[in-house]
Amino acid sequence: EIVLTQFPGTLSLSPGERATLSCRASQTISTSYLAWYQQKPGRAPRLLIYGASSRATGIPDRFSGSGSGTDFTLTISGLEPEDFAVYYCQQYGNSPGTFGQGTKVEIK
Amino acid sequence: EVQLVQSGVEVKKPGESLKISCKGSGYTFTRYWIGWVRQMPGKGLEWMGIIYPGDSDTRYSPSFQGQVTISADKSLSTAYLQWNSLKASDTAMYYCARDYGWRGFDSWGQGTLVTVSS
Repeated sequence: EIVLTQFPGTLSLSPGERATLSCRASQTISTSYLAWYQQKPGRAPRLLIYGASSRATGIPDRFSGSGSGTDFTLTISGLEPEDFAVYYCQQYGNSPGTFGQGTKVEIK
Repeated sequence: EVQLVQSGVEVKKPGESLKISCKGSGYTFTRYWIGWVRQMPGKGLEWMGIIYPGDSDTRYSPSFQGQVTISADKSLSTAYLQWNSLKASDTAMYYCARDYGWRGFDSWGQGTLVTVSS
């Protein structure tokens, strides 16, 4: 199965700053089937980005995804208070689908 | 509006059996895979398996193969996750999600908390 490694584990930033989250795969992800999810405490995950770079319905344009092959990035261009959460990448091009271990974006 | 509504909190003893559910509405249930995701306390997301309700084709993660059974009743638009003999290590939140294929898991249930304790 494909192993996803996210880094950093924790990102401490202030509102308004730019967040850059990384996700590296142990092998090439087919057709860029890479998604990003946001999870807040006590809530179900929410799809942000699919196909590595397409925003899901209703997701603000401060969220953007990029990358291909084995290296992917989620960028939040200016952190809003509601963006402090845990973010997971997921590959769904190969079965079984797998998640990264998550990156926590916390308020500095 | 797509909705996935999961069954409620469960508290069980080790060795007991359990079946939790996930009911879909607002879309054609038989046309999309449904996935199950585990989240142990304070931990990350784990992909358990998926089922296609149209024909009950099911895929499991090797980590969960033989440990759980995923099923679906298309007449009820409901998917299930079941255990024959629970262990304390099955204590977790379990989410179902609609697998939109090229769009990933686009809609999620609210989660079912399962606690296994003697």
